[in-house]
Amino acid sequence: EVQLQESGPGLVKPSQSLSLTCSVTGYSITSNYWGWIRKFPGNKMEWIGHISYSGSTSYNPSLKSRISITRDTSKNQFFLQLNSVTTEDTATYYCARYRGIAAHVMDAWGQGASVTVSS
Amino acid sequence: DVVLTQTPPTLSATIGQSVSISCRSSQSLLHSNGNTYLNWLLQRPGQPPQLLIYLVSRLESGVPNRFSGSGSGTDFTLKISGVEAEDLGVYYCVQSTHAPYTFGAGTKLELK
Repeated sequence: EVQLQESGPGLVKPSQSLSLTCSVTGYSITSNYWGWIRKFPGNKMEWIGHISYSGSTSYNPSLKSRISITRDTSKNQFFLQLNSVTTEDTATYYCARYRGIAAHVMDAWGQGASVTVSS
Repeated sequence: DVVLTQTPPTLSATIGQSVSISCRSSQSLLHSNGNTYLNWLLQRPGQPPQLLIYLVSRLESGVPNRFSGSGSGTDFTLKISGVEAEDLGVYYCVQSTHAPYTFGAGTKLELK
């Protein structure tokens, strides 16, 4: 059974970079697509982007200039870096697996990492 | 970006009641490959989202069959035939036909 676990600092200062790790067990990240999604205070959800089994990436244009999704296949981990954060980036960040060979159905999710941007 | 309009924002139900949630898209979600990538998620309190329905009407493994999805094009519905206490939480529709993928605003299901 696949399991995903987000980790990273819970507090980031404005203008700094946010870095999160998604550690995957029970499934290789060299298969399928792997994504990041965030939920803002309240209920709003936003798709951030994903990385494929081959390492290619796709990003939300609203964040494209500030984000990078990378991976370390030897550790079976993938990463999110979000630069120049503001208080509007305060959210719970989830990593997820997409089913199959395309990036259309997110069928497994991590527990989420709460990130607060504040000075 | 595709806008998903999800209604109602809040739903109060009694145990055993059947309820429906609507999700309307600002453009057709029919992909060029013939699939319609409209999925439904449930987020229970303190839990991550979980997949309930994918490709409009396909029930995810392990999800009770009181959940059903229907629709096509721009108009979709999630129905719960007989609400149970474990169904409480926030329901989201999400489209992954057009990038960037987008979510509905959520429907909170509460007990009446």
